[in-house]
Amino acid sequence: GNSVTQMEGPVTLSEEAFLTINCTYTATGYPSLFWYVQYPGEGLQLLLKATKADDKGSNKGFEATYRKETTSFHLEKGSVQVSDSAVYFCARLGGTSYGKLTFGQGTILTVHP
Amino acid sequence: GAGVSQSPSNKVTEKGKDVELRCDPISGHTALYWYRQRLGQGLEFLIYFQGNSAPDKSGLPSDRFSAERTGESVSTLTIQRTQQEDSAVYLCASSLGAGASYEQYFGPGTRLTVT
Repeated sequence: GNSVTQMEGPVTLSEEAFLTINCTYTATGYPSLFWYVQYPGEGLQLLLKATKADDKGSNKGFEATYRKETTSFHLEKGSVQVSDSAVYFCARLGGTSYGKLTFGQGTILTVHP
Repeated sequence: GAGVSQSPSNKVTEKGKDVELRCDPISGHTALYWYRQRLGQGLEFLIYFQGNSAPDKSGLPSDRFSAERTGESVSTLTIQRTQQEDSAVYLCASSLGAGASYEQYFGPGTRLTVT
């Protein structure tokens, strides 16, 4: 079936450090891939997405590239800020014609000043 | 404008009781989704509505779970005879249409605790 696997958390970094959160997906079909973010006390919101192989999604300094050969969609940011502290979820569209999403388990990121 | 709202924000109930969770989607959004997030796990899909019909109920864990949507707006998720394993955050999302082109907007969730 469809699944998404994220790196284990939590992740703790100092401000301005480089961030990578790994995400891999099962290779069923040609899914669209997403990163969602949940800031403390707020609802889940879309961070970025990529709809086909080799696409790069980007937003707020975050980037992720759809790698079909490694079935990966790793999230990266060159210089994190304290305000990036949140829970990050990788997700894929579930192989249907509508928007049923399959999520990874989430990675808690804490950035210290 | 108003986002997706859910009520109640928190619900504590005794095992065996029935609960109703409500979702008010963004006005004009035809697609509505329910997800569940258990502690330490990712979100699990429960059910999808297009308009007032539910083409995909495949994620509902058991026949104790049901959902309806009326007026192409409000949706209610009902859990009968609650069990402790039902404890989770229940999230609702809506989108203008269905598919990857349409961003899903999530509500703040209802935290359900079954004692």
